[in-house]
Amino acid sequence: EDQVTQSPEALRLQEGESSSLNCSYTVSGLRGLFWYRQDPGKGPEFLFTLYSAGEEKEKERLKATLTKKESFLHITAPKPEDSATYLCAVQIIGNTGKLIFGQGTTLQVKP
Amino acid sequence: DGGITQSPKYLFRKEGQNVTLSCEQNLNHDAMYWYRQDPGQGLRLIYYSQIVNDFQKGDIAEGYSVSREKKESFPLTVTSAQKNPTAFYLCASSTTSGVETQYFGPGTRLLVL
Repeated sequence: EDQVTQSPEALRLQEGESSSLNCSYTVSGLRGLFWYRQDPGKGPEFLFTLYSAGEEKEKERLKATLTKKESFLHITAPKPEDSATYLCAVQIIGNTGKLIFGQGTTLQVKP
Repeated sequence: DGGITQSPKYLFRKEGQNVTLSCEQNLNHDAMYWYRQDPGQGLRLIYYSQIVNDFQKGDIAEGYSVSREKKESFPLTVTSAQKNPTAFYLCASSTTSGVETQYFGPGTRLLVL
């Protein structure tokens, strides 16, 4: 069964304390892996798309990487405004348009 | 500004009532989607449409209905058959070729009176 699992469920960091969020996937064939940021009561905001193992993408303090079994979202020197829920989703080959989402990781960054 | 709009932001449903959530996009995307989000759960796909006048059931379509009469619009009706409708509903859109990144609207929170 195709599945996406994110860990940890919740993460508390001090401002400036770098860490990583994990997204593990078990799918028949990966077409793409997506990272989104979601603030409370808002719709998810697109961050990155990764397509193949070894690929990396960066945006400000965020860096996403992809292997054949998982993706990491690295947060370097986070600030309180990085506090949000981060969602991972995968699109499977042959399953046009459909995304499978993980449950998300809720990040809190304290000043 | 291109984007996706959803209305209303909050919606209250009475017992036995059908309610309709609006979703409009001006991104010229062919595909549109409806998701349901419950606390502690990932987004779950309700319905999706890749072209006007055609749509497919997602994983949790029971108790919901949709229409796609225009490219820009994809309304979702929550029927009285949906026994647990309280949730956050998200609409998204994407292209159907190349990078199919889905872009989301701001959401509608549905509450039962």
